[in-house]
Amino acid sequence: DTGVSQNPRHKITKRGQNVTFRCDPISEHNRLYWYRQTLGQGPEFLTYFQNEAQLEKSRLLSDRFSAERPKGSFSTLEIQRTEQGDSAMYLCASSFVNEQFFGPGTRLTVL
Amino acid sequence: AQTVTQSQPEMSVQEAETVTLSCTYDTSESDYYLFWYKQPPSRQMILVIRQEAYKQQNATENRFSVNFQKAAKSFSLKISDSQLGDAAMYFCAYRDSGGSNYKLTFGKGTLLTVNP
Repeated sequence: DTGVSQNPRHKITKRGQNVTFRCDPISEHNRLYWYRQTLGQGPEFLTYFQNEAQLEKSRLLSDRFSAERPKGSFSTLEIQRTEQGDSAMYLCASSFVNEQFFGPGTRLTVL
Repeated sequence: AQTVTQSQPEMSVQEAETVTLSCTYDTSESDYYLFWYKQPPSRQMILVIRQEAYKQQNATENRFSVNFQKAAKSFSLKISDSQLGDAAMYFCAYRDSGGSNYKLTFGKGTLLTVNP
């Protein structure tokens, strides 16, 4: 197993477009997290899945954001009608017990 | 809500010397976990060290050790014999031990430069 993977690594889009990111966790991990990291800040929690159930969403996750984890495997994060303020690094992490393993992130730039 | 504060935006150290990164946090919980994560430039975040709040003994991982002061809500990271590969952004993070959501709350990070 090569760890958590995220695709694409970089995404440039125009304001108003929809984008979707994918996260593939470590295979035996039942917990999956999405975080957002802006320049000069630490990662901020967005949402959390245990298996296929989305158990918590941050207030940061507006109605334009939706996340899924079908069958408790990979996860997708979709942003509709992107805004310039959505420009950030989107990090995915997975865990089985205590330690969260992070992916390389998807850097989103909204023009 | 829990908060994590890293008061040093940047630190520098000479190769082979020792450096300490500071972190304070605020919580009303008595049981929790604290972490230091390392994020090298353009690379993914990796766990450096973990401390359980119920353990009085400070965690140590090779050249990395922590000074955990529960009453003061302080959790500093000491890096001994600094190496060029230690250069990175370091994040302090907090996690509740109870409940079903193990989300991490991060500080803003400290950028560590290692000078040859």
